[in-house]
Amino acid sequence: GQQVMQIPQYQHVQEGEDFTTYCNSSTTLSNIQWYKQRPGGHPVFLIQLVKSGEVKKQKRLTFQFGEAKKNSSLHITATQTTDVGTYFCAGSWNYGGSQGNLIFGKGTKLSVKP
Amino acid sequence: NAGVTQTPKFQVLKTGQSMTLQCAQDMNHNSMYWYRQDPGMGLRLIYYSASEGTTDKGEVPNGYNVSRLNKREFSLRLESAAPSQTSVYFCASSEVYAGSGGSQYEQYFGPGTRLTVT
Repeated sequence: GQQVMQIPQYQHVQEGEDFTTYCNSSTTLSNIQWYKQRPGGHPVFLIQLVKSGEVKKQKRLTFQFGEAKKNSSLHITATQTTDVGTYFCAGSWNYGGSQGNLIFGKGTKLSVKP
Repeated sequence: NAGVTQTPKFQVLKTGQSMTLQCAQDMNHNSMYWYRQDPGMGLRLIYYSASEGTTDKGEVPNGYNVSRLNKREFSLRLESAAPSQTSVYFCASSEVYAGSGGSQYEQYFGPGTRLTVT
């Protein structure tokens, strides 16, 4: 079945450093979503990317969708302790004109040292 | 407006016991989902209900059954629990299963049920 590969699995940064997590698919995605899960919490939707080459920003977070729609990244500038958590990408593919289910990556767990 | 609620929050079962996890949403969403989350494995879809009256298997349906009781409620049943079903279970809902133009609808997750099977 389809899958999205997400790297790195863990990232430890000093507060103020930047952070990036990457997602890759071997085949063209229809769209990709990003979620954040705080420790002990539940996933919370951050954003969806649909268009080739799309770039969206939310304050210190920058989301990109590759030109070929096979990869995506989430970049956090100047991390803060509030950024701690696990970041998941979730992709879906078109099957004969119908949308498939979201398939989640395994997540990148971010820890931030004050 | 509670969003998505799940009961119970925690449960310990012995192998072979059965139980039902309850999920309800008050956002008038059409679609609902059950996921399991295991360490290092991300979220895997067990079953989903694209609309009231329909249910379909996801990635890991074996050992589970579901019921879409009405538009608000979607339950997950373990008929004979196994240690491999020890996990955190999340229910989610979305306005519609899939959108137009290649988009999806964002999913709203409940707080989760932490299940241990001994």
